[in-house]
Amino acid sequence: EVQLVESGGGLVQPGGSLRLSCAASGFTSSRYYMHWVRQAPGKGLVWVSRINSDGSSTTYADSVKGRFTISRDNAKNTLYLQMNSLRAEDTAVYYCACYGVTPPVWGKGTTVTVSS
Amino acid sequence: DIVMTQSPDSLAVSLGERATINCKSSQSILNSSNNKSTLAWFQQKPGQPPNLLIYWASTRESGVPDRFSGSGSGTDFTLTISSLQAEDVAVYYCQHYYNTPLTFGQGTRLEIK
Repeated sequence: EVQLVESGGGLVQPGGSLRLSCAASGFTSSRYYMHWVRQAPGKGLVWVSRINSDGSSTTYADSVKGRFTISRDNAKNTLYLQMNSLRAEDTAVYYCACYGVTPPVWGKGTTVTVSS
Repeated sequence: DIVMTQSPDSLAVSLGERATINCKSSQSILNSSNNKSTLAWFQQKPGQPPNLLIYWASTRESGVPDRFSGSGSGTDFTLTISSLQAEDVAVYYCQHYYNTPLTFGQGTRLEIK
């Protein structure tokens, strides 16, 4: 079964850090670009970041540029999102997604809450 | 960035009636390699993750009831629910995956009249 499973979410204070993981199974994720998407409480879906298949190219939404880092370990079929200098507005459910496979696949998300 | 605009923002339809949601992209999202539009539709119920309904604008995901259908090409797309059921109450999003950044419509809230 093709699957993405996120983990690593939790409660963190403003200014803190957190690393999210996304484990892929049922397909060779190393062949494909991977994305992070987030959804703040009561809001819509917003793209966060993308990494290419070998990890050599990354792009970010302006709202997270310079604070978040996307990376991957293809040997472990795992995608990461290192989040630093967290702000209250980063509070959201974070989803990983892959559009290179057919059909596209999303994980079920991990919740990040930034609060003192 | 490609802007995705959905209409209407909310919709109330009677049980058994047809529901139609529109989505317009600010530019073509046609994948020239396979001549398919890079458009997906998601359903999201409260407290749940988005559920993929349609991809390539008109291909129904496995397990999705056949009352859901997607159509359109170029910049104009439609999600149709042919006979609304109570369990279809949700927010629906369109999204392109033509390039980065992926962008989403603002969502359409579907309710029972």
